[in-house]
Amino acid sequence: EIVLTQSPGTLSLSPGERATLSCRASQSVSSSHLSWYQQKPGQAPRLLMYGASTRATGIPDRFSGSGSGTDFTLTISRLEPEDFAVYYCQQYYSSPRTFGRGTKVEIK
Amino acid sequence: QVQLQESGPGLVKPSGTLSLTCAVSGGYISSSNWWSWVRQSPGKGLEWVGEIYHSGSTNYNPSLRSRVTISVDKSKNQFSLKLTSVTAADSAVYYCAKASMSVAGLPFDSWGQGTLVTVSS
Repeated sequence: EIVLTQSPGTLSLSPGERATLSCRASQSVSSSHLSWYQQKPGQAPRLLMYGASTRATGIPDRFSGSGSGTDFTLTISRLEPEDFAVYYCQQYYSSPRTFGRGTKVEIK
Repeated sequence: QVQLQESGPGLVKPSGTLSLTCAVSGGYISSSNWWSWVRQSPGKGLEWVGEIYHSGSTNYNPSLRSRVTISVDKSKNQFSLKLTSVTAADSAVYYCAKASMSVAGLPFDSWGQGTLVTVSS
C-alpha cells in the first residue's frame, strides 16, 4: 500500500502567518488522486482540496495545493483563527485508500 | 446536499461482531457514488475500512478483508458495516463517507458525524 508521510507533525504559527504542510508518498501518486482534509476536535474530516490543487466547494482561496509524483503541499496563505486544526492528505491512486498521520496547526 | 448518519451499538464485546448502519438523506444511495466506512483511533489515525457501490460491488482494506462485510439496502437508502472477531484494536470512531464518481480521484466529499465504538467486556 502507498504510505503517506506528513510533515511536520505540528506547526506552531500565529494568525496571519503562512502555513506550509507537506505530504510525501512512498510511491508516485497521480495528482488527480490526492486530497486534503481538515479536521477540528469532535468533528468529522472535511474535504479541502482534491486533485491536489482544486478547492472543494466553499473552501476559501487562502487554501492552495500543489505537487506531483511523490511530493505534495498544502499552503494556507494567511492563517485565520478557524484554520487551526489537523490536516490530512489521502490518496486513492491505488487501493487501499490511505491517509497520512496528519499535521496539527496550532496557535503559537 | 447529501447527509450521512451512523448508528449502532457503542459497546461490543471482544470476539463479537461490530454492526453499524449509515443512513443516507438528501440523496439516493443508487446514485453514482461509492459509499465508504472510515475509522479513526488514536493509535492508527484515519483508516479506510472499505466501500460499496449500489450495485453491490465492494472493495475492502486488505488488512481487514477477512473480517469485514459491507452491504447496501436500497429500499432503506442505507448501507451497513459488519466487522467480526473484534478486539480492543477495533475500538475507534467509525465514520461513513461518500465519494462521488463525478469527481476524479473519488475524494470523500460528505461525511457522517462519526460514532464511537468501544470493544470491551
